[in-house]
Amino acid sequence: GENVEQHPSTLSVQEGDSAVIKCTYSDSASNYFPWYKQELGKRPQLIIDIRSNVGEKKDQRIAVTLNKTAKHFSLHITETQPEDSAVYFCAASLNTGGFKTIFGAGTRLFVKA
Amino acid sequence: NAGVTQTPKFRILKIGQSMTLQCTQDMNHNYMYWYRQDPGMGLKLIYYSVGAGITDKGEVPNGYNVSRSTTEDFPLRLELAAPSQTSVYFCASRPRVGTYEQYFGPGTRLTVT
Repeated sequence: GENVEQHPSTLSVQEGDSAVIKCTYSDSASNYFPWYKQELGKRPQLIIDIRSNVGEKKDQRIAVTLNKTAKHFSLHITETQPEDSAVYFCAASLNTGGFKTIFGAGTRLFVKA
Repeated sequence: NAGVTQTPKFRILKIGQSMTLQCTQDMNHNYMYWYRQDPGMGLKLIYYSVGAGITDKGEVPNGYNVSRSTTEDFPLRLELAAPSQTSVYFCASRPRVGTYEQYFGPGTRLTVT
């Protein structure tokens, strides 16, 4: 089955710097890759996603890149702010039979003011 | 729309007890999912359903059962609760067509002692 690995597990940056979180997946048939942000005690919230027919997607300070050949995708946050501090999860979904989604273990991002 | 609702918010069970976690969505979504999130970890898929009467196992189904008699409801049953089932349980749903985004409920925090 699908396996998603996420790195790093913890990331600390200065306010205004960029943050990059990387994920790899194992099932080449996966075709949807969402990123979720989870604040302490809250539910995961989708922040950006990318489908396999696109190599890059950007939404203001957040961007995601996908390399299907390498089975690798990344989240880029520019001009980080203290409110970006949270746990970020990548995931991979297979568009067959119910769209099972497998999550990475998460990255705890600290943005220091 | 209330979105995805879960009850209860918190529950403490003794080892060997049983309970049902409720999940309801009012968005007419075909797909529904149950995840568990252990402290400091990512989400693990327990069971999912592609529509009323159809359910399937996810990554960690042992110790759980589900049913889907209506489009709106997707209850998760724990039989013979064990300490290893201490976790936060999230229910999610998404439509069959259109957006691939999963909408999460607020979660149920379960402690088994």
